[in-house]
Amino acid sequence: AQKVTQAQTEISVVEKEDVTLDCVYETRDTTYYLFWYKQPPSGELVFLIRRNSFDEQNEISGRYSWNFQKSTSSFNFTITASQVVDSAVYFCALSEGGVGGGSQGNLIFGKGTKLSVKP
Amino acid sequence: DVKVTQSSRYLVKRTGEKVFLECVQDMDHENMFWYRQDPGLGLRLIYFSYDVKMKEKGDIPEGYSVSREKKERFSLILESASTNQTSMYLCASSLWPPDRGGSYNEQFFGPGTRLTVL
Repeated sequence: AQKVTQAQTEISVVEKEDVTLDCVYETRDTTYYLFWYKQPPSGELVFLIRRNSFDEQNEISGRYSWNFQKSTSSFNFTITASQVVDSAVYFCALSEGGVGGGSQGNLIFGKGTKLSVKP
Repeated sequence: DVKVTQSSRYLVKRTGEKVFLECVQDMDHENMFWYRQDPGLGLRLIYFSYDVKMKEKGDIPEGYSVSREKKERFSLILESASTNQTSMYLCASSLWPPDRGGSYNEQFFGPGTRLTVL
């Protein structure tokens, strides 16, 4: 059965600290996709990144970086030099199967990690 | 840019009322989804639709129904609202199948409707 676990419910840091948000997933599929979304206080989920199961390269985008490790079924997200604007709830999500798979693009979300960055 | 709009940001209804939540997307996406979001529970899928007039139950369909008469519009219906349906409701859409490059398309979300049932 598919599952996404975000063990950290809430994290509070001071501005300029680095912070890592953990995500552990479970799936039996060999083809799957992982996502991170940000939900600021305004409420709308904003897509941050997508990774497929065949691409284990880490990715960096500005202050954001993602570490995908199939061996530990983890897809962790690091914010370097955090800023107050990073305060949000962050969701990790999983989608199984490629084209022809049964998921039809459905996402399984973790419960989210609320990040508070204080000035 | 993909735009997903929801008919209301805030809605207050009474127990027993019939409630319609509307969602419209402007990017010709095949897939549309309705989620509810509750503290500590994350996002849970209520229903999704992969084509006009097609619908599939998600994880928590009880007490809800949906309608998709046009490709761009996906409605969530609470036949008889109850207090335990007080929640944030999020609509999303995505392209299906994935694009020609094989890249899996992400879901685009609307701003959400915060529904309170009294």
